[in-house]
Amino acid sequence: AQSVTQLGSHVSVSEGALVLLRCNYSSSVPPYLFWYVQYPNQGLQLLLKYTSAATLVKGINGFEAEFKKSETSFHLTKPSAHMSDAAEYFCAVRGNTGNQFYFGTGTSLTVIP
Amino acid sequence: NAGVTQTPKFQVLKTGQSMTLQCAQDMNHEYMSWYRQDPGMGLRLIHYSVGAGITDQGEVPNGYNVSRSTTEDFPLRLLSAAPSQTSVYFCASSYSTVSGANVLTFGAGSRLTVL
Repeated sequence: AQSVTQLGSHVSVSEGALVLLRCNYSSSVPPYLFWYVQYPNQGLQLLLKYTSAATLVKGINGFEAEFKKSETSFHLTKPSAHMSDAAEYFCAVRGNTGNQFYFGTGTSLTVIP
Repeated sequence: NAGVTQTPKFQVLKTGQSMTLQCAQDMNHEYMSWYRQDPGMGLRLIHYSVGAGITDQGEVPNGYNVSRSTTEDFPLRLLSAAPSQTSVYFCASSYSTVSGANVLTFGAGSRLTVL
């Protein structure tokens, strides 16, 4: 069965600092991994996805994530945080059927001016 | 192009009442699903559908029913609401891709409170 674990339910960074949000996965098959972002009172929207084409994946708004099989990780990073990055971030893995997705518990990102 | 539309946005129920959360998508996606979001628990899959007339259970299906009579609509029914069903509900749709990395498109959510 597939699952993801997000380390740190709350992360605070200063504006302009590096953002690092952690996600570890468990999967019996090569995983399809995703990062979604949720702004207050909105639904989730896709930041980026990993499909095995490349281990470093670039997404929207300057975010990227690196797939590391040896560490079973898919951490999300952004070199310089912006106030508009304050949101909740979810890591997700696709289930075996392709129609089920399993989400982490989320990480709330606060950006301090 | 409206995407995924959920109604209502807010609802308050009393224990034992029934209601239906509506979900409609206009993207001709074959897959639709319902999630609930609870603090500290992320999103959990309630039910999903791979096409009209086909539904299946997710992680937390108890207390919920679904049906899919058309490609566009996927309503979620609470037959006898319980306080444990107080949550934010999200409907999502997706389509299969060659890469296999199907991307979910979410609605804006429905916040349900059961007293």
